[in-house]
Amino acid sequence: DAGVIQSPRHEVTEMGQEVTLRCKPISGHNSLFWYRQTMMRGLELLIYFNNNVPIDDSGMPEDRFSAKMPNASFSTLKIQPSEPRDSAVYFCASAPLQAAGFGYTFGSGTRLTVV
Amino acid sequence: SQQGEEDPQALSIQEGENATMNCSYKTSINNLQWYRQNSGRGLVHLILIRSNEREKHSGRLRVTLDTSKKSSSLLITASRAADTASYFCAPDSGGGADGLTFGKGTHLIIQP
Repeated sequence: DAGVIQSPRHEVTEMGQEVTLRCKPISGHNSLFWYRQTMMRGLELLIYFNNNVPIDDSGMPEDRFSAKMPNASFSTLKIQPSEPRDSAVYFCASAPLQAAGFGYTFGSGTRLTVV
Repeated sequence: SQQGEEDPQALSIQEGENATMNCSYKTSINNLQWYRQNSGRGLVHLILIRSNEREKHSGRLRVTLDTSKKSSSLLITASRAADTASYFCAPDSGGGADGLTFGKGTHLIIQP
């Protein structure tokens, strides 16, 4: 298995532009998680899905952030409009739904820079 | 899920020495997981210990869990330069599908 695949690896955009981050979870994993990591705030859980359904989005910082999972093999995290303080590394992770006994598999992340 | 607190925040040792880092949490758990993050990379799952287990081994890793003290420790024996990374614990109260949360981690540096 190729693991969790995120794209792009790096994104540089101007303030006010729309940014879309993509994630392909491991086949057969029913849970998908989006995290954001910065030096100041560490790793923050933004939102997670079980069986493509958003379960908890309380970590989404503002209405500018939205996430979708249209099918079991694809998820997006969108920021519109983007701001410099959104600069961070965004990670996607997946896990089996009944995850007791299994850890999460993380992607390599998308490093977002908003200028 | 609740967030664990790792201690120390930073640890520097010589190659070949053992490294021990600790994790404390606040409420009862189903299991506790340890992850490693190398610079610029995603987290990698190292080991999971269930609440009814006291000790678990995986290669050079040894994890202990004391539910009465709500604490866990991760021991890396015979450290190598490649072990340089940040290590995070994740106490899991909700069966694993409720979203793990992570603290600031222990940054381990192995000096050659």
